[in-house]
Formats: sequence, C-alpha cells, structure tokens
Amino acid sequence: AQKVTQAQTEISVVEKEDVTLDCVYETRDTTYYLFWYKQPPSGELVFLIRRNSFDEQNEISGRYSWNFQKSTSSFNFTITASQVVDSAVYFCALSGNRDDKIIFGKGTRLHILP
Amino acid sequence: GAVVSQHPSWVICKSGTSVKIECRSLDFQATTMFWYRQFPKQSLMLMATSNEGSKATYEQGVEKDKFLINHASLTLSTLTVTSAHPEDSSFYICSAPISGTPDTQYFGPGTRLTVL
Repeated sequence: AQKVTQAQTEISVVEKEDVTLDCVYETRDTTYYLFWYKQPPSGELVFLIRRNSFDEQNEISGRYSWNFQKSTSSFNFTITASQVVDSAVYFCALSGNRDDKIIFGKGTRLHILP
Repeated sequence: GAVVSQHPSWVICKSGTSVKIECRSLDFQATTMFWYRQFPKQSLMLMATSNEGSKATYEQGVEKDKFLINHASLTLSTLTVTSAHPEDSSFYICSAPISGTPDTQYFGPGTRLTVL
C-alpha cells in the first residue's frame, strides 16, 4: 500500500523565517513519483514540484528547496525567507508506477505571520 | 500548457436532487481521469478512476451507485452526485494525466458543492 505522512498539521512562523515541511512516504513500487502542491484559500491546487524515484538530486527554485532522501523515504520542502503570501496548505503526494493515482498526505497548514 | 477545466465552479442544490460536474482536458487527451473529494480542512481523497470507454474504478468505501461517473470521450469525464444530501457537500476536484506520461498530471480548479 502507498502512504504519505505529513506529521505537521499546522505550522506558524514569523515572516522571513525559514520553515521546513516534512513528508515521509511508503511504497512498494520501484519507480514512483513524489509531488508537492500548494493549496491557497481559493482551493485550486498549485503544482510545485515533481520528482521521480531515480533522481535524488535536491532541487532549489527561488526560495523553495526540496530534499529527497530515499534512505529515509523522505521528501522535505523548505521555504527560505518566508513571506505572508506563502500562507497556504501544502500537500505532499505520491504516485506509483502501476497506475497514475496520486495519493495525498493530510497536508500541512502553514501560517506566515507578518 | 495543459489545462483541466471543471464546470460548474460552485453549485448549491436542494437535498435529494442530482448534480453533474464536468471535467474537461483542454488541448490534450486523457484516457484516464481521477475524481477527488476534499472535505473542509482535510486532504484530497481519491474517489474513483474514470476510464474512457469503460467502467470507472471506485475506491473502497465510495458508493458507485451514488457517484456516477461517465467518461464519454478522451477529453470529458462527468461525475453525477445522485440524490445529494448535506453530507455530500464538499470540494470535488478532478485530475488528468496526459496519456502515456503518468507523471504529468493536471488538476482542475475544483467544484464546490453545497447541499441544503
């Protein structure tokens, strides 16, 4: 069975602080894909990143960075110098190689306080 | 880039009525589409996989007779909530991967259903 665990239900930080959102996954598939999505109050999912299981290289995109570690089955997301506009719910998700289903974690609600 | 649209974006209906939600892939074909449901402050839960030209596959615990799915073409899937009740009020989101590229999946903007 596939599973995504986001242990942090809710996080509040003051603007300009760095914040890391944790994600741990379980899968028996040898090939799989990991995702992060942002969901602002409007509800529409905003795609942030997709990583396949063979690519463990960490990625940085502006203030966002992702740390993928297969050894610990983790795919953590860090926002550097957070801004109020980063306030949203962030979902980590997993898709296996047997079908295209995406399984979502429960999400982390991030509050950036001015 | 690829876009998935949903219609309507929101709907309010009376208890006992049926509501149809459309999911369209624009500029690409999708032999498979997925329907998710999201209750307030909860995660997206996969309801079913919509397959073009064949029956939908439902996740455990989802009533197939209540949530009718029709994938009539390579760009359109519909979800009909039959005899809706207040507990069906939720945010319904569809997604579609581009055929042959399972890691590229596009989500619709969602449909907010409120059943009075």
